[in-house]
Order: sequence, then structure tokens, then C-alpha cells
Amino acid sequence: EIVLTQSPGTLSLSPGARAALSCRASQTVRSNYLAWYQQKPGQAPRPLIYGTSIRASGIPDRFSGSGSGTDFTLTIARLEPEDSGVYFCQYYGVSPSFGQGTKLEIK
Amino acid sequence: EVQLVESGGSLARPGGSLTLSCAASGFTFSDPFSDAWMGWVRQAPGKGLEWVGRIKSKRGGGTTDYAASVKGRFTISRDDSENTVYLRMSSLRAEDSAVYFCAHIRLVEWFLESWGQGILVTVSS
Repeated sequence: EIVLTQSPGTLSLSPGARAALSCRASQTVRSNYLAWYQQKPGQAPRPLIYGTSIRASGIPDRFSGSGSGTDFTLTIARLEPEDSGVYFCQYYGVSPSFGQGTKLEIK
Repeated sequence: EVQLVESGGSLARPGGSLTLSCAASGFTFSDPFSDAWMGWVRQAPGKGLEWVGRIKSKRGGGTTDYAASVKGRFTISRDDSENTVYLRMSSLRAEDSAVYFCAHIRLVEWFLESWGQGILVTVSS
């Protein structure tokens, strides 16, 4: 099973700043199997990025994904208060797995 | 737009069984539910997301696979005539307590495109 490790655990930034969330895999993963989700309290996760860098439907271009091999990054530009939440990366393969999440606080 | 609604969650005893349902709507004639691959994900209170398992479409083989933590205890099935997928949970443990989400797996792009709102399962004596 591929283990995904996200960092940092918590990120506190101001509105207008840029956030960089890291997802590191325990072994090389195919880029088309790497996705990112946003979850707000009491809600289901919402897909943001799939295939490492493709934005899901309705996701603003402030959200971008990059990476390859074992290192992947979700970048959120021009942070807005509504971007607060927990962000998870996911590997969809033979044995899918999620990272433990990064909590993003906008203050 | 695909919509998923889970039901059947509640309190269960350790060692007991429970079946969750996930009713799907919004599939089309050209993209029918019968061709959909469906997954289950759970989230313990205050914790992260954990993959539970998935079921392929009948055309895709209809097979299922599960996370090691639930293999042999949980069973996923589907009724394409009812646009419903099920998660049968048995030999329940306290650590199975979680919100359970069903999700539609987007093929080719390989991500969970649509999610249900989640249903709470509590395992306690």
C-alpha cells in the first residue's frame, strides 16, 4: 500500500497570501492517479484537482496542482476566507489511500 | 449531476451487523449507473479519510476489493435496477465507528467525483 504523508499539519495564513500544501508518497505513483480534495466541517469532501494538475468542475484557477514521482503540491493563490478547511490528497491505485490531511486556516 | 444519498446508519453492538445503502440519481442514458464504479470511504470522528472499498460495474467485471482493515468483514454489492450500492458490515468493532461516505469513481480520470453527504455509524455496547 502506498502511504501518503501530507505537510504541514496545519497552515495559518492571511487573506491574499499563497498556500503550498505538500503530499509525499512512499513510492512513485502515476500522476494520473493523484487527486486533491477539500473538506469543510460537517460536509463531504469536494474534489479540487485530479490527475495531479487538472482542476475539477467549478474549481477556480486560484487552485493548482503540480508534482511527479513521489512529491506533489497543491497551491492556492490569493487566499480567501472560504478556503479554510482540511485538504486531503489521494492516490487511486490498486489499493487507494488518502493522506492524513492539512488544515488550512485563513486569518 | 450525480447525487448520492446514504441511509441505514445507526447504533450497532460490537460483533453485530449493519447494512448501509447509497441511492444514486442523476445518471443518464449515455452514462448509466450500471456503468458506474462506486466506492465507500469512512471518517472516524475528528480523523482523516479512510478508503473502505469499491465495486466495479458489471461490465467492468463487477468485482470488489477492500481495505485490509475491513476485508472479510465488509461486503459491497449493487442493485443496478434500483441504482443502489450497499455496504454490508459484520463483526463490527468500536473502531468501525465513523461517518461513511459513498462516492462515484470517475473512470479514466480516476478520482471520486461525487460524494454522498455521509451517514454516521456508531459501534458501542
